[in-house]
Amino acid sequence: AAGVIQSPRHLIKEKRETATLKCYPIPRHDTVYWYQQGPGQDPQFLISFYEKMQSDKGSIPDRFSAQQFSDYHSELNMSSLELGDSALYFCASSSRDRARDSTDTQYFGPGTRLTVL
Amino acid sequence: AQTVTQSQPEMSVQEAETVTLSCTYDTSESDYYLFWYKQPPSRQMILVIRQEAYKQQNATENRFSVNFQKAAKSFSLKISDSQLGDAAMYFCAYKDSGGGADGLTFGKGTHLIIQP
Repeated sequence: AAGVIQSPRHLIKEKRETATLKCYPIPRHDTVYWYQQGPGQDPQFLISFYEKMQSDKGSIPDRFSAQQFSDYHSELNMSSLELGDSALYFCASSSRDRARDSTDTQYFGPGTRLTVL
Repeated sequence: AQTVTQSQPEMSVQEAETVTLSCTYDTSESDYYLFWYKQPPSRQMILVIRQEAYKQQNATENRFSVNFQKAAKSFSLKISDSQLGDAAMYFCAYKDSGGGADGLTFGKGTHLIIQP
């Protein structure tokens, strides 16, 4: 079965540079989520999109922005990178249960490992 | 805000034995989802099992089952016949069922070691 695709898988940047992470959800999934997992930490929810509109917002820094496009893929844009942004960034996708007006199980991609030097 | 607590940072079990991982959560909601995810050394987040709060029956997936106690806000994972491939970090996660409240809240994780 098709899974969530993330690119790139690894990224190395210098401080103050910008980075763009891409996410391609499972086909027919309409909701995408972004998470950040620091070393030895649990994943922290950043932001989510449903049908190209922001759905929920977590602990996303103001330096970060994201969007979902018409083909449902999503991009996380990170500017003025700091050393503390070094982490594993996950994208997850799900489909909305319209009868319950709720999103269901989130399936995670393999993650993008960002290293800021 | 909801919180998820995993009180066991590390657990060790002999291969083929049974182990139970604990998870408690705090919420004022009556309808929500609970999940267990597995994160092996590859760092991939793999869904193990899910439970809908409005369902009384405990979820089961092959060797994995949960003990969901809604009143006690407890959601433990039982792994039967442990295998070497079960070695991983296990995260308990909570999600409100309402539309718009989409982010998962994770516990700190339990590192499961399988002794051959």
